[in-house]
Amino acid sequence: GQQLNQSPQSMFIQEGEDVSMNCTSSSIFNTWLWYKQDPGEGPVLLIALYKAGELTSNGRLTAQFGITRKDSFLNISASIPSDVGIYFCAGQRGSNYKLTFGKGTLLTVNP
Amino acid sequence: NAGVTQTPKFQVLKTGQSMTLQCAQDMNHNSMYWYRQDPGMGLRLIYYSASEGTTDKGEVPNGYNVSRLNKREFSLRLESAAPSQTSVYFCASSDPGGRGLETQYFGPGTRLLVL
Repeated sequence: GQQLNQSPQSMFIQEGEDVSMNCTSSSIFNTWLWYKQDPGEGPVLLIALYKAGELTSNGRLTAQFGITRKDSFLNISASIPSDVGIYFCAGQRGSNYKLTFGKGTLLTVNP
Repeated sequence: NAGVTQTPKFQVLKTGQSMTLQCAQDMNHNSMYWYRQDPGMGLRLIYYSASEGTTDKGEVPNGYNVSRLNKREFSLRLESAAPSQTSVYFCASSDPGGRGLETQYFGPGTRLLVL
């Protein structure tokens, strides 16, 4: 099946630092999504990207849809303890409804 | 507006037992999905239903069956549970059409342990 390579697998940072994570694929996607999952909860949508080159922000979060349509990036500025969780990228191809998920980036923020 | 709800939250089964995981959404979404989440594997699609009355296999359908009972409800059944089905199961639904169709909203999950 399609693969999304998400990196890094985990990050341990100090409060106030900026964070970057990314997803890459050998396939083109029409849509890129970024989700966050808190412990014991389901994933929650953070940002959706619909066009190559698109840069979208949601508070301290900024995500970009790569020009090649094969990658996406998520940046978190000035991290705070509640940013802790697992961040997933997801991509959608074609006209079907299915998403392909990355394996997640586990973020730990040290106060 | 509760969004996507799932029952039960936790379940322990013995190998060979059967059970049904329930999911309901109150957002008038056409599409619904079942995923399983295993450590280091991310989310993998088991089955999905693009609309009421239709279901299709996802990436890992073996050992599962689904029923789209109506527009609101989508259930996942394990006929004969196996230890390999120990996982966290998430139900999701997505918008009825237009831009945002792929924006899936997830339930809180069902944690299943098969002994």
